[in-house]
Amino acid sequence: QVQQVQSGAEVKKPGASVKVSCKASGYTFTSYYMQWVRQAPGQGLEWMGVINLSATYTSYAQKFQGRVTLTRDTSTSTVYMELSSLRSEDTAVYYCAREYSGSGSFDSWGQGTLVTVSS
Amino acid sequence: QSALTQPASVSGSPGQSITISCTGTSSDVGSQNLVSWYQQHPGKVPKVMIYEGSKRPSGVSNRFSGSKSGDTASLTISGLQAEDEADYYCCSYTSSRTYVFGTGTKVTVL
Repeated sequence: QVQQVQSGAEVKKPGASVKVSCKASGYTFTSYYMQWVRQAPGQGLEWMGVINLSATYTSYAQKFQGRVTLTRDTSTSTVYMELSSLRSEDTAVYYCAREYSGSGSFDSWGQGTLVTVSS
Repeated sequence: QSALTQPASVSGSPGQSITISCTGTSSDVGSQNLVSWYQQHPGKVPKVMIYEGSKRPSGVSNRFSGSKSGDTASLTISGLQAEDEADYYCCSYTSSRTYVFGTGTKVTVL
């Protein structure tokens, strides 16, 4: 079935980096875009960025420019989100979500990865 | 890019209809028709309910409908049911080739 399975929870210290993976299955990987969205505890959804899975196009929210990097490995159908210079405010659940090219519909979400930033 | 503006909460009795607004600008909601709506129950993953402004994915009840006027999009839930109690978020593509979510609305079924 269509799904994305994300890597497990992480605990990081301020200033460190975290790399979350999102492995896709059940569909043609390169026909989609992969969005990244985060949700801080008790807060709303926040869009972080997108990567085109058939090419190297990426787009990031201005808030995360210079701190976030999205990459993909087509051989394993896996997308990676790396966030650097972590601070306590980055504590959140991070989701990957599939988007069919240009539809604006995030129709399949990973289970989420909790990243906790604490000294 | 500022978050789209949604009411913090909306409530209704079973069977009633409610509407959630999502106000943006001419650079996002008003610029094209790529507004989507997501339902999120506590502790669960978001689920797309409406995309491209008014289209329903397969499996989503026809009690959910979307529309847009100018810089404001709306989600209407008709025949409100207990299972509709959840948080709802709008999301829009922007002229900067990015996306932006709304502030979120908690729907309570009285």
